[in-house]
Amino acid sequence: EIVLTQSPATLSLSPGERATLSCRASQSVSSYLAWYQQKPGQAPRLLIYDASNRATGIPARFSGSGSGTDFTLTISSLEPEDFAVYYCQQRSNWPSGTFGQGTKLEIK
Amino acid sequence: EVQLVQSGAEVKKPGESLKISCKGSGYSFTSYWIGWVRQMPGKGLEWMGIIYPGDSDTRYSPSFQGQVTISADKSISTAYLQWSSLKASDTAMYYCALSGENYFDYWGQGTLVTVSS
Repeated sequence: EIVLTQSPATLSLSPGERATLSCRASQSVSSYLAWYQQKPGQAPRLLIYDASNRATGIPARFSGSGSGTDFTLTISSLEPEDFAVYYCQQRSNWPSGTFGQGTKLEIK
Repeated sequence: EVQLVQSGAEVKKPGESLKISCKGSGYSFTSYWIGWVRQMPGKGLEWMGIIYPGDSDTRYSPSFQGQVTISADKSISTAYLQWSSLKASDTAMYYCALSGENYFDYWGQGTLVTVSS
């Protein structure tokens, strides 16, 4: 099973700052990686798929990059509503997949 | 509009059985995979398994193989997650999610399962 490791576990930033979240796979997943956002009491929401494609309705301040084993989610300028938990998920062995353990983005 | 509507919260005792549901609407139910995801209290997302309602092809994560059963009834556009004997460690929020482009594009609202004696 492919293991995804996210870092950091917690990221403390202020609104307007740039956020960089990392996801590393235990083996290559090509570009088959997604990012989700989850706010308290809500279901997750798909942000990025296939490493760098924004899902429908996702603001341009969210971007994804990477391939193989190393991936990054960047939020260019944090808005108050962006403080949440972020998960990466791989689907290289579809229809199976795994999630990372999450990064909590909190207000500094 | 695509919607996944899950059954309501459940409170069960250890050893009891349970089947929760996820009803899809607004799309062709038999044409897309539906997955189940566990989230234990205060913890992250865990991929449990996934089913293709068109032919009931089902895949389980190794961690959940033999622990739960995923099924679907295409006549009523509903997917299910069931346990034959619940444990306290099954206490969690369970989400169903629809895979449109091989990722989980749409999610149900979640079903909270509490197992306590």
